[in-house]
Amino acid sequence: DAGVIQSPRHEVTEMGQEVTLRCKPISGHDYLFWYRQTMMRGLELLIYFNNNVPIDDSGMPEDRFSAKMPNASFSTLKIQPSEPRDSAVYFCASSLWGALGDEQFFGPGTRLTVL
Amino acid sequence: DAKTTQPTSMDCAEGRAANLPCNHSTISGNEYVYWYRQIHSQGPQYIIHGLKNNETNEMASLIITEDRKSSTLILPHATLRDTAVYYCIVRPHSGGGADGLTFGKGTHLIIQP
Repeated sequence: DAGVIQSPRHEVTEMGQEVTLRCKPISGHDYLFWYRQTMMRGLELLIYFNNNVPIDDSGMPEDRFSAKMPNASFSTLKIQPSEPRDSAVYFCASSLWGALGDEQFFGPGTRLTVL
Repeated sequence: DAKTTQPTSMDCAEGRAANLPCNHSTISGNEYVYWYRQIHSQGPQYIIHGLKNNETNEMASLIITEDRKSSTLILPHATLRDTAVYYCIVRPHSGGGADGLTFGKGTHLIIQP
């Protein structure tokens, strides 16, 4: 398996523009997570899905952020409109939950810069 | 409230064992101890997890004290590629399914040549 795939790897945009980040989880995994990493706040959970259904979106910072998972092999995180403070590295992770816990597999991240 | 406490940074000589401590004095009976690491410019990587017994895999060993209030991650023969930030995470396992990870600041382990 190729692991968790994220695109684009780098995104530079201007304030006010819409940004869409994409994630392809590992095949067969039933959980998908979106995290954000900044120097100030470290790694933060934004939202996660189980079997394509959003379970907890309490980490989503504002209504400008939205996430979808239309099928088991694809998820998007959208920011509209984007602001400079949204600049961060966004990670997607997937896991297969089991009785003894789960190991989350992280993608390489998307580095977002909002000018 | 921080659920885990880790030193900010540590040095270790290449080829020696790296012992990374973690304090989790408020751990509950259904909480596991997980360790992840993040190499510069990469996504976090799972290392190991345990409940109360010591665990070992191809990457590391996890030693959990009998009272479960602290643990130590051991990298038996550290290499330069082990330089990374190591995160100790306490995570409930209720049987109802997975949830997200709460990362603290971690320990920046620097392996010296």
